[in-house]
Amino acid sequence: NAGVTQTPKFQVLKTGQSMTLQCAQDMNHEYMSWYRQDPGMGLRLIHYSVGAGITDQGEVPNGYNVSRSTTEDFPLRLLSAAPSQTSVYFCASKRETDTQYFGPGTRLTVL
Amino acid sequence: GNSVTQMEGPVTLSEEAFLTINCTYTATGYPSLFWYVQYPGEGLQLLLKATKADDKGSNKGFEATYRKETTSFHLEKGSVQVSDSAVYFCAPKRGQFYFGTGTSLTVIP
Repeated sequence: NAGVTQTPKFQVLKTGQSMTLQCAQDMNHEYMSWYRQDPGMGLRLIHYSVGAGITDQGEVPNGYNVSRSTTEDFPLRLLSAAPSQTSVYFCASKRETDTQYFGPGTRLTVL
Repeated sequence: GNSVTQMEGPVTLSEEAFLTINCTYTATGYPSLFWYVQYPGEGLQLLLKATKADDKGSNKGFEATYRKETTSFHLEKGSVQVSDSAVYFCAPKRGQFYFGTGTSLTVIP
């Protein structure tokens, strides 16, 4: 198993550009989540999904969209990037009552 | 609501020193408790967990005991190594995970 994979590893955007951060898992996990990690703030939940076709907002959803058309994939979309979205983004997955597994992260800089 | 408070870092220790990283939480009901570790440039990995009161999680020489009466889950290791240098996150789970701010540990030879 590859576990949780994320692409790209690094990305630089200009303010106003859009992009999609990809996340995939091959463990057949129902739950998938997106977090952002900022200095001194730990991990904050952006969006999550409890299964294909179902998504919900986390703690800091503004400026981000998600969709879950398959069990394996959970892309995160930035429609109009802002400098405040400069962060490290982690995707994670788990079964309902199980341990959460994290991807390696995407480091995003918005100029 | 649910929240977690972690000891602030950074923490710098000499090799073979004793480590304690404090973690206390507030939660409705009885959450499962986790410690995750993040090595430089990598994602978070599960270090250990405990799912009910008085359970002790352990892994790689690290231990933490679920203390319901003090709502704490302090992380300890008797003798740290340089390879333990990382950021440690306490994370109660009650439905969703709630992550602490992380404690950066640097172990010097």
